[in-house]
Amino acid sequence: AQSVTQPDIHITVSEGASLELRCNYSYGATPYLFWYVQSPGQGLQLLLKYFSGDTLVQGIKGFEAEFKRSQSSFNLRKPSVHWSDAAEYFCAVVLPYSGGSNYKLTFGKGTLLTVNP
Amino acid sequence: EAQVTQNPRYLITVTGKKLTVTCSQNMNHEYMSWYRQDPGLGLRQIYYSMNVEVTDKGDVPEGYKVSRKEKRNFPLILESPSPNQTSLYFCASSLWVPGQGVRNQPQHFGDGTRLSIL
Repeated sequence: AQSVTQPDIHITVSEGASLELRCNYSYGATPYLFWYVQSPGQGLQLLLKYFSGDTLVQGIKGFEAEFKRSQSSFNLRKPSVHWSDAAEYFCAVVLPYSGGSNYKLTFGKGTLLTVNP
Repeated sequence: EAQVTQNPRYLITVTGKKLTVTCSQNMNHEYMSWYRQDPGLGLRQIYYSMNVEVTDKGDVPEGYKVSRKEKRNFPLILESPSPNQTSLYFCASSLWVPGQGVRNQPQHFGDGTRLSIL
């Protein structure tokens, strides 16, 4: 079945440590890939997106993600985490069909990030 | 400022009392969508709209209605709310144009509406 998997429900890191959040997808074709962040009481903010081209994508707030076709993965990374990065992170995909009537994002279940001082 | 605005942000109500959650975007986007977010389930699409007067069901449409009379507005209507509709709701919009794929147009989300149905 087509799906998006975020294997880690909750991750805790220390401030200043590096971070990697995992995302795997299961689709016949390579989907378009997104990472969103949701801070407490806030909506979803787009961190970065991958459509084609360079497989290392730079986003806002110092985040980057790497698309690996062989592993069907799109992991999010940050070299040094700040306390303000504590939030829930969602990986999402959409199939790149050129026609059709729906631009539906399919989300993973999210990874909650806690940052220790 | 480009934004998607939802109202209300919070609502507590009772079973069976009709309610409407409004959504408005100021980006002249064609595509709009509603999602609900539930713990352990992530976000799931309820309804979407490609343009004015064009709407269709998403993955979890039961118990909801929508309308798209104007391009900027996409209200979500619960005719007879039930406790299982207690959730966090998000409206989203995109410049995506049908027939032209995703075209590098992400979805922009509102801040969410937390509904509690007693």
